Amino acid sequence: QVQVVQSVPEVKKPGASVKVSCETSGYTFTRYGITWVRQAPGQGLEWMGWISGYNGNTNYAQKFQGRVTLTTDTSTSTAYMELRSLRSDDTAVYFCARDLFSSSWHLGYWGQGTLVTVSS
Amino acid sequence: DIQMTQSPSSLSASVGDRVTITCQASHDITNCLNWYQQKPGKAPELLIYDASTLETGVPSRFSGSGSGTDFTLTISSLQPEDIATYHCQQYDDLPLTFGGGTKVEIK
Repeated sequence: QVQVVQSVPEVKKPGASVKVSCETSGYTFTRYGITWVRQAPGQGLEWMGWISGYNGNTNYAQKFQGRVTLTTDTSTSTAYMELRSLRSDDTAVYFCARDLFSSSWHLGYWGQGTLVTVSS
Repeated sequence: DIQMTQSPSSLSASVGDRVTITCQASHDITNCLNWYQQKPGKAPELLIYDASTLETGVPSRFSGSGSGTDFTLTISSLQPEDIATYHCQQYDDLPLTFGGGTKVEIK
């Protein structure tokens, strides 16, 4: 069965960078993309971007352009999200998710979330 | 960007009640709408896609309807395990955008 497991919580200082991993199993990694979504405390869901598992093509939300980089390692079926120049308002739970069907945008399989706390 | 407006932001209902949550898109998104359920401290789970298709394993008391700009999620008979926050999400265009969420509580 499809499994999506994210890395452990992180605490970072303002200005630092964080890299969250999203390890997948139970399917052919290159047939699906991975979407990243974040949720600030008590807030709604916010789309950050998407990366193809096939060729690494990316699409980023305008808000995060230049500050976020999505990558994949097909040898380990793992996706990564790096966010730079962290600010206190980047404190959030970061989720990765796989489409239910290839190229469907129905986020059917989610990681457990990774809490990133930005604090001096 | 397509704005998604959900209402109400929260509601309280009794077990067995019929519950309706609405989601309005700022542009016509045909049927490009998903609904998710999120329980406290957990990741969202896909309930309904393509506005009205129930994801496998989701109880039949959940249903979705609508097209264009106006959509509805209905729980026909609220159960204690339905306590959660519900989110709509459009995928007609990037960026994907979500509604603000509706928190459902038991009265």
